[in-house]
Amino acid sequence: GQQVMQIPQYQHVQEGEDFTTYCNSSTTLSNIQWYKQRPGGHPVFLIQLVKSGEVKKQKRLTFQFGEAKKNSSLHITATQTTDVGTYFCAGPIKGNTPLVFGKGTRLSVIA
Amino acid sequence: NAGVTQTPKFQVLKTGQSMTLQCAQDMNHNSMYWYRQDPGMGLRLIYYSASEGTTDKGEVPNGYNVSRLNKREFSLRLESAAPSQTSVYFCASSEDETSGNTIYFGEGSWLTVV
Repeated sequence: GQQVMQIPQYQHVQEGEDFTTYCNSSTTLSNIQWYKQRPGGHPVFLIQLVKSGEVKKQKRLTFQFGEAKKNSSLHITATQTTDVGTYFCAGPIKGNTPLVFGKGTRLSVIA
Repeated sequence: NAGVTQTPKFQVLKTGQSMTLQCAQDMNHNSMYWYRQDPGMGLRLIYYSASEGTTDKGEVPNGYNVSRLNKREFSLRLESAAPSQTSVYFCASSEDETSGNTIYFGEGSWLTVV
């Protein structure tokens, strides 16, 4: 079964509120990637984190990789309706094997 | 630049029928993948091909077969469709199978088995 856990499964926020999704692995990850899937669309790569404790920002999105490289988070500041979609984290569970995706967090933004 | 192209986009099958989902990429990638996506289950890997001439099972391979026809094309076959195979199928590719590579997805194929 999947070994990359993501919470929450769903999140409904008012436009302007912040949003955070968390990703946890039972094993140390060499890297973690985040993808976004708009409703009816396909997953699109957002970012990759490689270093322990790494923090990267993309406008209102902040990505963190935990010190132990077992967890990661995506934080969106002041959500907008364009942020609606499902956010997936993905990591290699066994060495350099294909990525395993978390189940995703579906974000709804109420205008 | 089309990226990853998969066909058909929509298909309805009767239980027991067979069909093949076609996928092609024009990014000269070595690795290709087939995922299925079901509500609440995320993206689950069915099969992948690390390079031309090789294929490997993913998390949920039962009921499926794949063919890496050449470097560009990777097809997924359902020999005897079952209602449990109703899903959205995504083909994807990356430079190679190592985990540090970005995965590029096709637009998806919506399959319903009745």
